[in-house]
Amino acid sequence: GAVVSQHPSRVICKSGTSVKIECRSLDFQATTMFWYRQFPKQSLMLMATSNEGSKATYEQGVEKDKFLINHASLTLSTLTVTSAHPEDSSFYICSAHAGGDHTDTQYFGPGTRLTVL
Amino acid sequence: GEDVEQSLFLSVREGDSSVINCTYTDSSSTYLYWYKQEPGAGLQLLTYIFSNMDMKQDQRLTVLLNKKDKHLSLRIADTQTGDSAIYFCAESSNTGGFKTIFGAGTRLFVKA
Repeated sequence: GAVVSQHPSRVICKSGTSVKIECRSLDFQATTMFWYRQFPKQSLMLMATSNEGSKATYEQGVEKDKFLINHASLTLSTLTVTSAHPEDSSFYICSAHAGGDHTDTQYFGPGTRLTVL
Repeated sequence: GEDVEQSLFLSVREGDSSVINCTYTDSSSTYLYWYKQEPGAGLQLLTYIFSNMDMKQDQRLTVLLNKKDKHLSLRIADTQTGDSAIYFCAESSNTGGFKTIFGAGTRLFVKA
């Protein structure tokens, strides 16, 4: 099946620094990529939807200046957490949507665990 | 807004059937999904059902949908220890693009 990779898988950073997370679709072109945040024992919270070549659409309550999303190509989207703080510590998951129909499944990356000290 | 709820934990004995339940609020939900997440791995789509269907069976998996009550269930027959994982219920609608709303996940623990 289709593969989505995320890099890095784990990152620890100091408060105030910025962290970039990459999401790549390895064997297909993704028209749409999604970024989620997952807290322990809680659901995946959709942060934003990114379409290649256009600005990301952020969900209500998600600061677009803090979580910068770039979808530069059909196989790569990046999420940059700017000026990270301990409350940004979480598990960030991306997914890539291959086609134009709901029945074309989303393929999820393995996630990136961010710890901000 | 849209909401998807499911119980957080289920424990069954190996060989028994597991039933994981989910409720959703969006009446315009068109597609309902079950995803599986194993430790350290990404979410994997197990199955999906259209809102105009009542039931879908795929090998050991049976999905039942009660659209009136907005209730979705996943039955795993002959549950194995390898089925231990977190199972997420999710929904999307034609009006929401491809935006998918997830439940909190049900952790299934299978006792040998």
